[in-house]
Amino acid sequence: KNQVEQSPQSLIILEGKNCTLQCNYTVSPFSNLRWYKQDTGRGPVSLTIMTFSENTKSNGRYTATLDADTKQSSLHITASQLSDSASYICVVSARGGNEKLTFGTGTRLTIIP
Amino acid sequence: GAGVSQTPSNKVTEKGKYVELRCDPISGHTALYWYRQSLGQGPEFLIYFQGTGAADDSGLPNDRFFAVRPEGSVSTLKIQRTERGDSAVYLCASSSRPNYGYTFGSGTRLTVV
Repeated sequence: KNQVEQSPQSLIILEGKNCTLQCNYTVSPFSNLRWYKQDTGRGPVSLTIMTFSENTKSNGRYTATLDADTKQSSLHITASQLSDSASYICVVSARGGNEKLTFGTGTRLTIIP
Repeated sequence: GAGVSQTPSNKVTEKGKYVELRCDPISGHTALYWYRQSLGQGPEFLIYFQGTGAADDSGLPNDRFFAVRPEGSVSTLKIQRTERGDSAVYLCASSSRPNYGYTFGSGTRLTVV
């Protein structure tokens, strides 16, 4: 069964600090992995998307890594801001078939001043 | 349109009633997806349309749920005989090509009382 697990479930950090969120997956055959940011009451917004051949991708203060051998990904947030408070969801897509995405349950990040 | 539009943003209905949720995808996006997100959980796949046809409806939980996309653009998710367990945020996403570049709407929060 395709699964995506994220850790930690929740995280509280001070404004300006860095943090790293983790994602492990068992989706096969792997196509791509995405990180989404979801603000409360809003739909998910894409941060990064990585295919099998990519092991790092940045989007401003967000940097995602991918190790396709160990089936792990991380999202690193640099110099956190209050607006970074949100849920961060790891989503993995399988190759072929019907284009379903497998979602993790997310990490709830809270930035405090 | 500029983004994926979902209406209504909030819907409260009585148990046993029928509801329709609407999704207006980004113009030209041929792929459209419906997901359901319960509180504190990641989105769960419901159905995927490629054009007018449902390419995969394996995520629909039972026959009370049905979705259409008659002209390959706007889609309507229909729920008959609603139950309290149907309460969730229903998310719609579209993409210009399968398995890449999904854009999510802000969702419809359905509450069954």
